[in-house]
Amino acid sequence: GAGVSQTPSNKVTEKGKYVELRCDPISGHTALYWYRQSLGQGPEFLIYFQGTGAADDSGLPNDRFFAVRPEGSVSTLKIQRTERGDSAVYLCASSLTRGREQYFGPGTRLTVL
Amino acid sequence: EDKVVQSPLSLVVHEGDTVTLNCSYEVTNFRSLLWYKQEKKAPTFLFMLTSSGIEKKSGRLSSILDKKELSSILNITATQTGDSAIYLCAVEAYNAGNNRKLIWGLGTSLAVNP
Repeated sequence: GAGVSQTPSNKVTEKGKYVELRCDPISGHTALYWYRQSLGQGPEFLIYFQGTGAADDSGLPNDRFFAVRPEGSVSTLKIQRTERGDSAVYLCASSLTRGREQYFGPGTRLTVL
Repeated sequence: EDKVVQSPLSLVVHEGDTVTLNCSYEVTNFRSLLWYKQEKKAPTFLFMLTSSGIEKKSGRLSSILDKKELSSILNITATQTGDSAIYLCAVEAYNAGNNRKLIWGLGTSLAVNP
């Protein structure tokens, strides 16, 4: 595709539920990043994939958060037992390779009630 | 601790004005500095700067990096209402595990009034 796409664009869930957020990077981009952004804050790094492997997951806040990229393209961010504090916009970005500029998707706005 | 500081936090100007946004950083193992424009949800890439003193230009926007001063500026000339957005600065650096990551500033909120 022309750019990074993310689905859903909005997700409302109840506390304690499980959610999956999907990211489809720019074709050919080997690096994929997940961020989350709260109102008035800059994007907060969560995890970075190079190909299929999670090269850096140091930003994941706790073990309720997990992400996969099984075929080196589409990635899914999974959040278990959601909490109200998880409410944020979850941004995905991809870059051609490490060290190149990152291009962002439109984000998924997650609201946990 | 690595940090990126942007100033001013917010700015209101009139159409046609020129603005200068600042970004300063304190990071170990600097790799590059990036500017993004954020209007709705996702930041849009503007510039990537790796070398000091070389200006990058795109239309009315330009940016330059000063590694000695650990800072960068983003200039917008002849501002238009469509320039209203949050401008984010991010620095790419190596972390303790020798992985690259972006450290983000809080952004400058620019409002251009007609």
